Amino acid sequence: DAGVTQSPTHLIKTRGQHVTLRCSPISGHKSVSWYQQVLGQGPQFIFQYYEKEERGRGNFPDRFSARQFPNYSSELNVNALLLGDSALYLCASISDRDKNIQYFGAGTRLSVL
Amino acid sequence: GNSVTQMEGPVTLSEEAFLTINCTYTATGYPSLFWYVQYPGEGLQLLLKATKADDKGSNKGFEATYRKETTSFHLEKGSVQVSDSAVYFCALIRYSGGSNYKLTFGKGTLLTVNP
Repeated sequence: DAGVTQSPTHLIKTRGQHVTLRCSPISGHKSVSWYQQVLGQGPQFIFQYYEKEERGRGNFPDRFSARQFPNYSSELNVNALLLGDSALYLCASISDRDKNIQYFGAGTRLSVL
Repeated sequence: GNSVTQMEGPVTLSEEAFLTINCTYTATGYPSLFWYVQYPGEGLQLLLKATKADDKGSNKGFEATYRKETTSFHLEKGSVQVSDSAVYFCALIRYSGGSNYKLTFGKGTLLTVNP
């Protein structure tokens, strides 16, 4: 079975632009979470979606938004990019059988110039 | 709110040395506790977990015991290998209802093991 897949793996944008990051969870998993990992820090929670509904939101500005599709894949959108948005964005897939365990993808490395 | 404090590195050890990485947490009730590992250029992998007080999580020679009285979950390994070189994150989940299983992470500890 495929694990969590994220695309693209790397991305370079300039300030003010918009970006869309994509995530496909493990087959059969209905919940995804998004995290931001700034260099040298631990991941910070951005969103969690379950069955296409937002179930949790972290302390991020409204420039950050997300959605989940009927096939349980998800997109994270960031508008009006700032230099400080440069980070590794991680998607995690969560099974209904054990919601304590989150399976992470390799992430998308976003650089904002 | 919930928080995790872990020993900041970097930690540099020789192969076969004993490893301890300290982790303490702040949370109401009984959170579940985790150690995740991140190898260079990769995402996070779950290393071990414990869901209630006095539980011991173990995997690949690593162990950590959930200590409610000291709010700690220290990671230990008796004999490290070069392949253990990575960043280690302590984390917790405190279920807050509404299907929100948010992980709260520490800042991470970089471990380098030299041959």
